[in-house]
Parts: sequence; structure tokens; C-alpha cells
Amino acid sequence: SAVISQKPSRDICQRGTSLTIQCQVDSQVTMMFWYRQQPGQSLTLIATANQGSEATYESGFVIDKFPISRPNLTFSTLTVSNMSPEDSSIYLCSVETGAGFRSEQYFGPGTRLTVT
Amino acid sequence: AQKVTQAQTEISVVEKEDVTLDCVYETRDTTYYLFWYKQPPSGELVFLIRRNSFDEQNEISGRYSWNFQKSTSSFNFTITASQVVDSAVYFCALRGISSGSARQLTFGSGTQLTVLP
Repeated sequence: SAVISQKPSRDICQRGTSLTIQCQVDSQVTMMFWYRQQPGQSLTLIATANQGSEATYESGFVIDKFPISRPNLTFSTLTVSNMSPEDSSIYLCSVETGAGFRSEQYFGPGTRLTVT
Repeated sequence: AQKVTQAQTEISVVEKEDVTLDCVYETRDTTYYLFWYKQPPSGELVFLIRRNSFDEQNEISGRYSWNFQKSTSSFNFTITASQVVDSAVYFCALRGISSGSARQLTFGSGTQLTVLP
């Protein structure tokens, strides 16, 4: 398993500003992911972040809006840039542990973002 | 393309009743993984189980059991003798391992389970 922490746990931000969310894992992991969960909705993958390479973004998400850093094997950040009320969501960090058929995927506690 | 369908949006049961949450999936991958997660009101996502596509044995863990039927592309989740603490949103998810879909979890829309005292 993996213990994942996120900072901040929640924030209220004004439109036009940016927020950086931090994700810390208690062990070294290769694969880290960032998901968004809009109110009352399911989870949508924003991007996959591997250490030492550029993040891979899913359709509908762009680097200018959601820049990601992955400086080492236990840490990543997601920035939500130039925020609008539509960005109000829970943002979750996720990691994959193990390998092959023993791999599992765990999620952090999430960051609740409200944009006014 | 992958798809996960959880047709039950909301379910309410009375404590001690058994309840089954349905999950139907679509994938072109011959090998894939299926997951169930629990999201209580606090918001964190709790990993419950991972099932590999080549392992069709059903699994039981305490009051939880899972029925994987590859022939019908279903991976249903049963809670026996439900408790109020089981109230949460439950998500079924799928991950294929072919090129292009590797490691991307596709989530269903979730089922809100409410267990009444």
C-alpha cells in the first residue's frame, strides 16, 4: 500500500488566480496520476506524471492550464492556473504500487477547491 | 475504448439488509484489471479490491464479496448485513494493459449507497 498526503486539503480562491497542490507519497513510486472530480461526478484523469519526463495529458486538459512537476519519486505538484468557477472540484493525486499483476492504485485524500 | 457502467445511481437499504452494486464494463483488451473503490462523505477514495481478468474466482472479505463474470462483463459487489458506516459512493473502475490504455483507470459514474438505521 501507499500513504499519500495532499496540501492544501481545501481552499477557496478568486477567479483569475492560480493554486498549486502538493502530493507527497511515503514510498518511491514510478507512476503518479492527477484526477479531477467535479461536484457529484465521477473521476476524470487529468494527466500522468512520471519522474524525469514530461507529464502526459488526457484529452481536454492542457499543460498551460494544469502544469505539473515531478521532481522526484515521492513528490508531485499540480497547478490550476487562471482559475474560473468551473475549476471548482476535488483534485486527487494517485499512485501505482507494485508491478504487473500485483499492481494496485491508491488515492490521496483530495484537495477541495472552490473558485469564487 | 473502455467504458464502465454503474446503472444504479442511488440505493437505499435498511441496516442489516444485503445489497448488491452492479458494474458492467466494456474493453477491447484481453487482459485488464477491475477495481472497486469506496468514497465516504469525507471524500477520500478507499481501495477495496483489484481483480485480474484471468482470475474469475469470486472473492469474499468479511461482509464484502465480489462476483466477477467475464461472460457477461460484470463485476458486482455485494455487502452482506449492511451497516450505517457502509454509506458512501462506490466506484467501479477498469484498467486495460494494451498500448495506449496502460495504467489509465476508467471510472464508472458511481453508486450512492445509503444505509438507514
